[in-house]
Amino acid sequence: DQQVKQNSPSLSVQEGRISILNCDYTNSMFDYFLWYKKYPAEGPTFLISISSIKDKNEDGRFTVFLNKSAKHLSLHIVPSQPGDSAVYFCAAISPGNTPLVFGKGTRLSVIA
Amino acid sequence: SQTIHQWPATLVQPVGSPLSLECTVEGTSNPNLYWYRQAAGRGLQLLFYSVGIGQISSEVPQNLSASRPQDRQFILSSKKLLLSDSGFYLCAWTGFKYNEQFFGPGTRLTVL
Repeated sequence: DQQVKQNSPSLSVQEGRISILNCDYTNSMFDYFLWYKKYPAEGPTFLISISSIKDKNEDGRFTVFLNKSAKHLSLHIVPSQPGDSAVYFCAAISPGNTPLVFGKGTRLSVIA
Repeated sequence: SQTIHQWPATLVQPVGSPLSLECTVEGTSNPNLYWYRQAAGRGLQLLFYSVGIGQISSEVPQNLSASRPQDRQFILSSKKLLLSDSGFYLCAWTGFKYNEQFFGPGTRLTVL
């Protein structure tokens, strides 16, 4: 049973427009959510996170929104740039010494 | 600052040969350590995690094993590789802040 789902395997966006990547989860015990960005043949790098007590966190061009009632979060990238082309993983964690749970990723392609 | 090393960066091995991938973390103590695999076109699959020396939790039954002989060393092994073991192997760690996980550069394994 997948606890973290990224239902869109891929997304194409024009440069300068907004990219919206979505993530759904099923475990109500998750209290922290993270987004990672991964280029081919490299390890994922941390991008942005949000605590379950917040509904929005912003860092430059990146904003993560959390809707706890819908068990849904999204990552907004504005404006999108060609260098943003990568695979984006949503991850969630519950309190205690437990591993992160990752979604399967969404491949974002930003077209110039 | 903390850094995580993985080697080798790439590896080509014949079916049936043994495997040993090494991961070491610097600049922290008592980290939680993780091994993930990303198979072609798939997400991040957690293979093993360790909360301390000699403590290994296996998430997925397979012909791989993990060991943690030292606090900051995590080793992924196999006695006989299968074709299906090909993939991109990632080591990761978390410190006392359980909601921050950092990844190594990865090892690309090709089994022929």
